[in-house]
Amino acid sequence: SQELEQSPQSLIVQEGKNLTINCTSSKTLYGLYWYKQKYGEGLIFLMMLQKGGEEKSHEKITAKLDEKKQQSSLHITASQPSHAGIYLCGALNTGTASKLTFGTGTRLQVTL
Amino acid sequence: DAGVTQSPTHLIKTRGQQVTLRCSPISGHKSVSWYQQVLGQGPQFIFQYYEKEERGRGNFPDRFSARQFPNYSSELNVNALLLGDSALYLCASSTIFRTAYGYTFGSGTRLTVV
Repeated sequence: SQELEQSPQSLIVQEGKNLTINCTSSKTLYGLYWYKQKYGEGLIFLMMLQKGGEEKSHEKITAKLDEKKQQSSLHITASQPSHAGIYLCGALNTGTASKLTFGTGTRLQVTL
Repeated sequence: DAGVTQSPTHLIKTRGQQVTLRCSPISGHKSVSWYQQVLGQGPQFIFQYYEKEERGRGNFPDRFSARQFPNYSSELNVNALLLGDSALYLCASSTIFRTAYGYTFGSGTRLTVV
């Protein structure tokens, strides 16, 4: 079965600083999804990556999928308090069902 | 448009009891998936239903069951509750089932088993 490892597990950054979260897969990634979750709430879709080398950006968040398609990174530029939350990467496993296998998450705190 | 609606938002049950969680998908979405998220971990896949048929089941015991109704809403049932079943249960709906693109998650049901 596929496993996703996220690093770091938690992160505290000062407002305005940049940060990177990594997601490493035990198998080739055919669809990598990034979500944000506020504590105890549902998941908010951020970005989907499918092609090796693909890079997508939305506002101050950029996600990349490496060429070998086994690692993805999420980079936040000039962090703001609104970026605080739990970031989860999810790998799509297709077959008879489309299910997401998630990493354990990275908890981000942004201090003033 | 209304998003994915889950009910109840919170509930407390005693060990051994049974619980039913409900999910109403976004209008037009025919696929519903259920995930369990234990505190401090990522969500784990429980079931996926598409067009009222079970399309996938995760590694959960038979105490967990689900169904999808003609209006595409879904129920998740858990029998003989254990303390370890305490978690946030998330429902996600989508238009098709061979991609997670377009997955929309509800806010979840927080189940506490005492």
